[in-house]
Amino acid sequence: SAVISQKPSRDICQRGTSLTIQCQVDSQVTMMFWYRQQPGQSLTLIATANQGSEATYESGFVIDKFPISRPNLTFSTLTVSNMSPEDSSIYLCSVKRDRGPYEQYFGPGTRLTVT
Amino acid sequence: QKEVEQDPGPLSVPEGAIVSLNCTYSNSAFQYFMWYRQYSRKGPELLMYTYSSGNKEDGRFTAQVDKSSKYISLFIRDSQPSDSATYLCAMSGRAQKLVFGQGTRLTINP
Repeated sequence: SAVISQKPSRDICQRGTSLTIQCQVDSQVTMMFWYRQQPGQSLTLIATANQGSEATYESGFVIDKFPISRPNLTFSTLTVSNMSPEDSSIYLCSVKRDRGPYEQYFGPGTRLTVT
Repeated sequence: QKEVEQDPGPLSVPEGAIVSLNCTYSNSAFQYFMWYRQYSRKGPELLMYTYSSGNKEDGRFTAQVDKSSKYISLFIRDSQPSDSATYLCAMSGRAQKLVFGQGTRLTINP
């Protein structure tokens, strides 16, 4: 498995501000993913962040709203920009190991509330 | 129609019962199948991973994949109160992007 940490674990933010979420992995991985889990809902993929290339965003998610950085093989950030109450969600990063079976491991999540 | 369908429950069973959780899917390109367990206010924890069709057993947990029917199952034997959580099925094709079911909220009653 992989040990993944996220910061902050939770935050309450005001409308119109931005929050940057950090994701740290205990080993080097090429593929990292960012998901959103809205209250009472399942997980929806926001984007795939591979080291050395631009992040790939899913339909409905745009770089201006969710800019992502991937400076190295163990770290990534997701910024939620110009927040509105609809952005209140849990944001999770996950990783897939470069070798071996296809399995994704998740961080503990960042619980964001926008007021 | 969603790509992955999962009965959200809630499902409540007595301790010791056998639990059956299921998902159906529509995309025949899916070949990687996973079950995650998510406790309240925690991230999803990978329980079982299966590639293509067949069965896989790990302790009290058994995962089954029937690609011909586009149907996957997770069985929990001798269920314990600590198994109370939301269970999410997830699957992927070669694109390696996971598609999740809605999750089933399970409660095991002592």
